[in-house]
Amino acid sequence: DGGITQSPKYLFRKEGQNVTLSCEQNLNHDAMYWYRQDPGQGLRLIYYSQIVNDFQKGDIAEGYSVSREKKESFPLTVTSAQKNPTAFYLCASNGAKETQYFGPGTRLLVL
Amino acid sequence: GESVGLHLPTLSVQEGDNSIINCAYSNSASDYFIWYKQESGKGPQFIIDIRSNMDKRQGQRVTVLLNKTVKHLSLQIAATQPGDSAVYFCAENPIYGQNFVFGPGTRLSVLP
Repeated sequence: DGGITQSPKYLFRKEGQNVTLSCEQNLNHDAMYWYRQDPGQGLRLIYYSQIVNDFQKGDIAEGYSVSREKKESFPLTVTSAQKNPTAFYLCASNGAKETQYFGPGTRLLVL
Repeated sequence: GESVGLHLPTLSVQEGDNSIINCAYSNSASDYFIWYKQESGKGPQFIIDIRSNMDKRQGQRVTVLLNKTVKHLSLQIAATQPGDSAVYFCAENPIYGQNFVFGPGTRLSVLP
């Protein structure tokens, strides 16, 4: 998994609840990303961060929030405003050579 | 198993045969491409990459071919093994510093 860890592996969300997915990397990469993966579709970018204390919305940011307080960490919160949160969430990072490496993913399910 | 790639095109090959997986990319300005392998329930794994100033790049049992004229990328796997069974997808980086665009992928099934 290239030094990127995600937790938990499975996460269950109740209606109206906010949940936070963890992503940590020890690769000393500046850039970190969150993607959503749905069956039969390519990865879709939720949020990304090129540097600590800065992040930008991706293509499907509505209903999600992030923070980047440390270089190693880029947690994603799925808020109650996200009406269809069931998906496989992938965190990635890359350094100066552009190649993106992915974590093992978190499967989010709705109760 | 996970339902990632539930409705993807599938390529079935006999063990020991060569596999060719194709990808059409969208942006003629893309200058960097990656192939990933994703096993069920796991994160994508980097396989091989290629820049737009190259037509071909070889790795261990894998070769990537780039045809910029028709915006086409292919991944060739030699002597396909059961452990190669997975979803394979390509990624293109339009311009350095821009975000990657990912294809939906192809499921490779290796038959005994």
